Amino acid sequence: AQSVTQPDIHITVSEGASLELRCNYSYGATPYLFWYVQSPGQGLQLLLKYFSGDTLVQGIKGFEAEFKRSQSSFNLRKPSVHWSDAAEYFCAVGADPGTYKYIFGTGTRLKVLA
Amino acid sequence: DGGITQSPKYLFRKEGQNVTLSCEQNLNHDAMYWYRQDPGQGLRLIYYSQIVNDFQKGDIAEGYSVSREKKESFPLTVTSAQKNPTAFYLCASFARDRGYGYTFGSGTRLTVV
Repeated sequence: AQSVTQPDIHITVSEGASLELRCNYSYGATPYLFWYVQSPGQGLQLLLKYFSGDTLVQGIKGFEAEFKRSQSSFNLRKPSVHWSDAAEYFCAVGADPGTYKYIFGTGTRLKVLA
Repeated sequence: DGGITQSPKYLFRKEGQNVTLSCEQNLNHDAMYWYRQDPGQGLRLIYYSQIVNDFQKGDIAEGYSVSREKKESFPLTVTSAQKNPTAFYLCASFARDRGYGYTFGSGTRLTVV
């Protein structure tokens, strides 16, 4: 069965430090992969996506992610975190191209220290 | 600007009541989805609809019902059969023109009182 794992529930970084949020998926073929961000009490906003081509994808707000097939991973990175990046981040896999049902990870809450 | 509107933002339900959460989109998207979000559990799919007058159960459909009479609207009813309805509910539509990602509404927080 398809699944998404975000191993880190909480991450704390200092402002200006680099960030990496981990995401591992289980899926037989090449999936659609997404990262979303959620501010408290709000909906989710799409940061970036991957389905084919260049394995390093650029997104909004200075984020990037790298698809590594051999590791079944799609980790999110940012070279220098800003206080406004504090939010919850969700990785998702699009495992059903017919219905476009996506499976979401349990999320990683990012705290940024001033 | 196009988007998804969920209302109300906060909703309180008494035990034994049915309540309906509204979701309206003006994006002309065919597919719409309802997710439930609980702390530490991510998003779980309740129902989805790919076309008007058709919808399918997701992973946690028990105690919920939906309708899709218009392309723009996909309301969710939380019935009295849902034993633990307190949660944050998110509506989404599927967007080929946004790279196959979802567009989400801003959510409705339902609390049982």
